[in-house]
Amino acid sequence: AQSVTQPDIHITVSEGASLELRCNYSYGATPYLFWYVQSPGQGLQLLLKYFSGDTLVQGIKGFEAEFKRSQSSFNLRKPSVHWSDAAEYFCAVGASAGNEKLTFGTGTRLTIIP
Amino acid sequence: SAVISQKPSRDICQRGTSLTIQCQVDSQVTMMFWYRQQPGQSLTLIATANQGSEATYESGFVIDKFPISRPNLTFSTLTVSNMSPEDSSIYLCSAGGTGELFFGEGSRLTVL
Repeated sequence: AQSVTQPDIHITVSEGASLELRCNYSYGATPYLFWYVQSPGQGLQLLLKYFSGDTLVQGIKGFEAEFKRSQSSFNLRKPSVHWSDAAEYFCAVGASAGNEKLTFGTGTRLTIIP
Repeated sequence: SAVISQKPSRDICQRGTSLTIQCQVDSQVTMMFWYRQQPGQSLTLIATANQGSEATYESGFVIDKFPISRPNLTFSTLTVSNMSPEDSSIYLCSAGGTGELFFGEGSRLTVL
């Protein structure tokens, strides 16, 4: 069975600083990996996804993530955070691109301080 | 992309009652799913809504408690039956099948 671990429950970052959110997955085959963001009271918005090819993927809002098969990781990064990035971030893994039955991590809450 | 609308967006319900949540997608989609997000928790998949047939439920979820309908490729409903305070959650409809899973804004249920 597939699973996702987000080891950081809560991260606080100063505005303008860099960010890295960790995600580790467990899956027997090639995983399909996703990062979603959930702002307070909102649904989930897809930031980026990895299916195959280049292991560094670019997403919306200046985010990127790197797939490292050897480490079973898919960490999310942003070089300079903005106050509007404060939200809950979820990493997810799926079995295929045509059947997006996803398993989500527990989420990382990001707080931005001035 | 797909735009997903859910109704109601929030509701306060009495113990023992049932509530049906509607999910409308603005385009035909292959896959539709229902997730639950309990307070401060991540998303847990309840079931896959299958068009024209019975939903496929995940472990820990049963049809009697969470009956689901999907009469066509753009619409689904989830009923939360005989509610208890433990059912207080956000219920999210999602749609996929094109390499991306889209989410509605969720239905926040509070059971008293």
